[in-house]
Amino acid sequence: QKEVEQDPGPLSVPEGAIVSLNCTYSNSAFQYFMWYRQYSRKGPELLMYTYSSGNKEDGRFTAQVDKSSKYISLFIRDSQPSDSATYLCAIQAGTALIFGKGTTLSVSS
Amino acid sequence: DTAVSQTPKYLVTQMGNDKSIKCEQNLGHDTMYWYKQDSKKFLKIMFSYNNKELIINETVPNRFSPKSPDKAHLNLHINSLELGDSAVYFCASNGGETDTQYFGPGTRLTVL
Repeated sequence: QKEVEQDPGPLSVPEGAIVSLNCTYSNSAFQYFMWYRQYSRKGPELLMYTYSSGNKEDGRFTAQVDKSSKYISLFIRDSQPSDSATYLCAIQAGTALIFGKGTTLSVSS
Repeated sequence: DTAVSQTPKYLVTQMGNDKSIKCEQNLGHDTMYWYKQDSKKFLKIMFSYNNKELIINETVPNRFSPKSPDKAHLNLHINSLELGDSAVYFCASNGGETDTQYFGPGTRLTVL
């Protein structure tokens, strides 16, 4: 089993929709969870950072970690065409990041 | 005032050639990384350096050799390039309160 699993999509939604992106992971010792956003032909940029379980909100974005089921989620409210990108979940393992395969999201106006 | 920069942005070369990619960060971070992103967008760590010292060396062919002349620079040299080396290579650096990794814009390598 891969350490981080993420459905690559693609995911297409209309503008204004609520988007749910998810990852599962295998190692219960992981504590730091991140979501990166990557626009086409650009480097990944950190979107959200969560330590241990719980929710974290930043504007239209909410990151959620459920350590009991080893499940991490990113919710995007009122999605915009500018949210169209690939979203990568990442887990910190020591000094390295283990990435999911990324979910490509397309928001149409 | 780019935080993490890479050169070149694009690199097209023939099989068997040797090439280098350069990375510089002006964030004052101690740790730098090289990642490879394949055609399916899977991003995987290759190397990590902390203050010029190699700390992570994933299962990467020894044709790939990182070099860190100082803690602000981490270069990647690739010998005897193969078709399967075609990918986007990202440099990143790490630091700050949240230990966040900051990525460069990537170098798109195409081996013909």
